[in-house]
Amino acid sequence: AQKVTQAQTEISVVEKEDVTLDCVYETRDTTYYLFWYKQPPSGELVFLIRRNSFDEQNEISGRYSWNFQKSTSSFNFTITASQVVDSAVYFCALSEIRRSKTSYDKVIFGPGTSLSVIP
Amino acid sequence: ETGVTQTPRHLVMGMTNKKSLKCEQHLGHNAMYWYKQSAKKPLELMFVYNFKEQTENNSVPSRFSPECPNSSHLFLHLHTLQPEDSALYLCASSQVGARASPYGYTFGSGTRLTVV
Repeated sequence: AQKVTQAQTEISVVEKEDVTLDCVYETRDTTYYLFWYKQPPSGELVFLIRRNSFDEQNEISGRYSWNFQKSTSSFNFTITASQVVDSAVYFCALSEIRRSKTSYDKVIFGPGTSLSVIP
Repeated sequence: ETGVTQTPRHLVMGMTNKKSLKCEQHLGHNAMYWYKQSAKKPLELMFVYNFKEQTENNSVPSRFSPECPNSSHLFLHLHTLQPEDSALYLCASSQVGARASPYGYTFGSGTRLTVV
């Protein structure tokens, strides 16, 4: 069965601190996608990153960076020099890689981590 | 402005009312989804439509009835709801198959439903 665990329910940091959000996943698939989404107070989930299971290269995008460790089934997300606008709920997610035209993307979401950045 | 639009943003309804949630996507995607997000719970997949055909009904009670008249529109018809159905209902779309989008789902802003 597929499962995504985000052990940190809530995190509070002071502005400009670095913060890492943990994500651990379980899957029997050998190829899969991992995602991070951000849900600000307005409600919509905003896509941040997608990572293929066969690409373990870490990625940096501005203040955001992601550490994918296939050996430990983890896909952690670090925000450097956090800002108040980073306050949101962050979801880690997992999906199979489907190439069939008639299939759909079955995405399993973690429970989310609520991040509060205090000015 | 997201490519997936949901209306209304907020809805308060009585347990005997009938209402509908609407979702519209302008991204040319071929799959659309309804998710339920309750407080302190993970996102729950409710329904999936792929090429306008319902391909998943995740054991959702019959008081929730989806409709997908075309690949751009998705509705969720509500009737005789219970207070525990109060939640944020999110619509999403994606492009599946050989030309799959690298961005996974695109979500709407959701409809905050309160059942009184």
